[in-house]
Amino acid sequence: NAGVTQTPKFQVLKTGQSMTLQCAQDMNHEYMSWYRQDPGMGLRLIHYSVGAGITDQGEVPNGYNVSRSTTEDFPLRLLSAAPSQTSVYFCASLSVAGGPYEQYFGPGTRLTVT
Amino acid sequence: QQQVKQSPQSLIVQKGGISIINCAYENTAFDYFPWYQQFPGKGPALLIAIRPDVSEKKEGRFTISFNKSAKQFSLHIMDSQPGDSATYFCAASSSGTSYGKLTFGQGTILTVHP
Repeated sequence: NAGVTQTPKFQVLKTGQSMTLQCAQDMNHEYMSWYRQDPGMGLRLIHYSVGAGITDQGEVPNGYNVSRSTTEDFPLRLLSAAPSQTSVYFCASLSVAGGPYEQYFGPGTRLTVT
Repeated sequence: QQQVKQSPQSLIVQKGGISIINCAYENTAFDYFPWYQQFPGKGPALLIAIRPDVSEKKEGRFTISFNKSAKQFSLHIMDSQPGDSATYFCAASSSGTSYGKLTFGQGTILTVHP
C-alpha cells in the first residue's frame, strides 16, 4: 500500500493563479481531510469528506474548493491564489470501521504564493 | 479562536530525561485526544491516543495523562532519546462523523541532547 500520496511536493504560484493539489489514498478509507500547517499555529482543517459526494467545510475554507467523486481521491483547488495561502498542505485519510480511528497523513505539499 | 492550547512551544531535554507537554481544551464535546509526532519534511504520524473514560494510557515510553474535570491532557516521554527530537502536536475531535475533524494544538518542538 502506498498509503496517502500527495502531488506536487513543491509549488510556486503567482498571486491570482489557480491550481489543484492532488491527494489519493489506497486504503479504502471513508473519511478524508485537508489541513494547512503554518508556523506557531499547528494544523488547521480546511475541508473534510465522509464519503464520495459528501464534503464539509473546516475551520479555514475560504479560497479553497473540494469535491470527492471517488473514495480514493480528494483534490483541493485554490481558486485565485493569495500570499496568505503560502503554507504546507497535508491531506489525511481515516477509517472509522472498528477503530482505532487513526488518521494517516500524506507527505505534504509546500506551496509558496508570490 | 484556538480551542486546543499547547505548551511549551519548545522544550530541550537531556538524554534519559522526562519530556512533558501539556494541552488544554475548551470544547466539552471532544471525546478523542490523539498525540501526533512530526519529523522535518514529513507528515504527522499518530503516536498515542486516549478517550476520556480513562485517566492514563501508556505505550512503551509514552504516556498520556488525562484530567476530564480540568479539561487538560499531557504527554510524558520517559527516558527521552535523541531520536525523539521532533515536533509534537496534541489534538482533539468528537466521535461519529467528526472523527476526522481534528483540532490541533500549536505544536511543541522537542530537542533531546545526547
